Amino acid sequence: AQKITQTQPGMFVQEKEAVTLDCTYDTSDQSYGLFWYKQPSSGEMIFLIYQGSYDEQNATEGRYSLNFQKARKSANLVISASQLGDSAMYFCAMRGGAGGTSYGKLTFGQGTILTVHP
Amino acid sequence: GAGVSQSPSNKVTEKGKDVELRCDPISGHTALYWYRQRLGQGLEFLIYFQGNSAPDKSGLPSDRFSAERTGESVSTLTIQRTQQEDSAVYLCASSPQVNTEAFFGQGTRLTVV
Repeated sequence: AQKITQTQPGMFVQEKEAVTLDCTYDTSDQSYGLFWYKQPSSGEMIFLIYQGSYDEQNATEGRYSLNFQKARKSANLVISASQLGDSAMYFCAMRGGAGGTSYGKLTFGQGTILTVHP
Repeated sequence: GAGVSQSPSNKVTEKGKDVELRCDPISGHTALYWYRQRLGQGLEFLIYFQGNSAPDKSGLPSDRFSAERTGESVSTLTIQRTQQEDSAVYLCASSPQVNTEAFFGQGTRLTVV
């Protein structure tokens, strides 16, 4: 079984500052993938960033970076230089990898609402 | 099509009626996922397909829910004898392989009155 936990229901950040959204996970699989998605008020799901369990370096995509700490089973999202358009719900997700009991299953956390203040 | 397409975009139905929700994934995507999202909540996993088979149906809330996929393409989620608690947005996603990101449709907003 796999589980994703996002402990911050809501976060506030000042425009142009950095913010970290927390995500911890639990799995018995050796191989897995971690994802972050953004869901604005329009409801669409926007893929942000991916980290494989065997990737040694933290993933980065523009202003997004994933702080991957495998031993702690955490995959926090860091957004640098926040913009007003970053205000949205953010979801952490995990997909089981090959050979595991949850192969292919994509499980989401409960989400964190981020509000960026001007 | 260019993206994942879901139909209808909105559906209002009377309690007790059956509904069918359709998902057209991106062509060539082998994996297909269904989720339910209640207002202000996270994504609740329902079922996923690898090709036409469903390795994991554990998320289906009750035997009123069923899903199928044909031709490694279109998928239909059927809810029989709808209840008010079935009201939610039903999201479909597809990915080219299991170990790549999933692309989401716009969802079907189901309202049971």
